Amino acid sequence: GAGVSQSPSNKVTEKGKDVELRCDPISGHTALYWYRQRLGQGLEFLIYFQGNSAPDKSGLPSDRFSAERTGESVSTLTIQRTQQEDSAVYLCASSRDKIQPQHFGDGTRLSIL
Amino acid sequence: QKEVEQNSGPLSVPEGAIASLNCTYSDRGSQSFFWYRQYSGKSPELIMFIYSNGDKEDGRFTAQLNKASQYVSLLIRDSQPSDSATYLCAVDTGNQFYFGTGTSLTVIP
Repeated sequence: GAGVSQSPSNKVTEKGKDVELRCDPISGHTALYWYRQRLGQGLEFLIYFQGNSAPDKSGLPSDRFSAERTGESVSTLTIQRTQQEDSAVYLCASSRDKIQPQHFGDGTRLSIL
Repeated sequence: QKEVEQNSGPLSVPEGAIASLNCTYSDRGSQSFFWYRQYSGKSPELIMFIYSNGDKEDGRFTAQLNKASQYVSLLIRDSQPSDSATYLCAVDTGNQFYFGTGTSLTVIP
């Protein structure tokens, strides 16, 4: 498709497990963003990639969170040793470059039991 | 002080009225400003973006930017029930991208 694709759309896992979330940005978009949105809350910035580099990792909430991007395309967000407070919708967005509007995927709804 | 501030609402307007949504930002060097709409349970979708002082119109939507006062607003003319959603203001400071917490709008038929 032409839009940002995220997988899985839903993920339920037990506390303490590791999870990996995937984002396929729009082809040609050099900037890629990860956000977290808890129920009824606003968007919380996690990390931003320009190409394969992450100049800004300040939003990652703890060292359990990591992200990478390869081939200036797919990005994965990994959460290790998940906690219940990690339950949220994780949204990925991409843009043609940093100052251009961001286009969002449908998100991954993560539930930690 | 938050980087981007919005009145959380809820804001209710009757169908056909003008809805006015406001946003203020703290970084005077911010260059790019965006309005997103988010329906419940859905991801945000871009409505408008504005870079220069003044007004920018797109159909029923008008974005207004005043850099001196550090605010950006969104006007929705002839509001429709389908406009009922949360509206997110976003600002690119050049270093980071910030979203406001959103204003909930309800258009009453």
